[in-house]
Amino acid sequence: DSGVTQTPKHLITATGQRVTLRCSPRSGDLSVYWYQQSLDQGLQFLIQYYNGEERAKGNILERFSAQQFPDLHSELNLSSLELGDSALYFCASSSRDGDRETQYFGPGTRLLVL
Amino acid sequence: AQSVTQLGSHVSVSEGALVLLRCNYSSSVPPYLFWYVQYPNQGLQLLLKYTSAATLVKGINGFEAEFKKSETSFHLTKPSAHMSDAAEYFCAVSGSGANNLFFGTGTRLTVIP
Repeated sequence: DSGVTQTPKHLITATGQRVTLRCSPRSGDLSVYWYQQSLDQGLQFLIQYYNGEERAKGNILERFSAQQFPDLHSELNLSSLELGDSALYFCASSSRDGDRETQYFGPGTRLLVL
Repeated sequence: AQSVTQLGSHVSVSEGALVLLRCNYSSSVPPYLFWYVQYPNQGLQLLLKYTSAATLVKGINGFEAEFKKSETSFHLTKPSAHMSDAAEYFCAVSGSGANNLFFGTGTRLTVIP
C-alpha cells in the first residue's frame, strides 16, 4: 500500500459526459501528479500540482482539468468524454530525495466510456 | 529531453532462471531512474531507484539494477525468477524542473513453471 488513495476504482459512463476522479496523496506529500495509461499511448504524464498550484503540464487535453485543494487532495475533471478517453488514470504523490523526487502511485481509476 | 527505451515488450523465463529486463535512457541532465512494477489490475509499485549515490541499486523482491553511464543503460535483473514475479515492468526517467516521469512502453514478464 503506497498510501495514495484514489476513488472511484471503476467508472463507466457515456460519450459526452463529465466525470471527476479524486486523489488523496500520502500524508505530508505536497505534490500530486496525474498520469493516463492507455493501450495505444502507454503511460503519459498529464499534470502536476504542488501545494495547490499548478506546477507542470504534460499531454493534457483542453477538455481535462485538475485542481488541488487546501487539504492537498486533488481532482481530475474529464469533460465531453470520448471513446478514446477510456483508460486507467493514476495519481501519484511525491517525497523529496535530495534534489529530486520519488513518486508513489495510487491504485488508479479505470474509466470506460461507452 | 528525457526518454527511456525498453527492449522487448514480452520476456519469458523459466522459474529459477535469471531475469534480465533492458532499459536504455536518454537525458540532457544527470538522470534519475526508476523501475516500477504493475501486477494485473493494480497500480504501479516502486521497485528501485537510481539517485547517483551508487551505480548498483538493490530494490524489493530481490531485484537490482545497474546504472551504466557509458552504455546509457539501467537494466533490471533478478538471479532467480519466481512465479510471483509475473507482471509488467516499467522503466522511467525523471524530467528536469518539474520532475514528472517519462515511462518506457513496459515489458511483460512471464514466468514458466
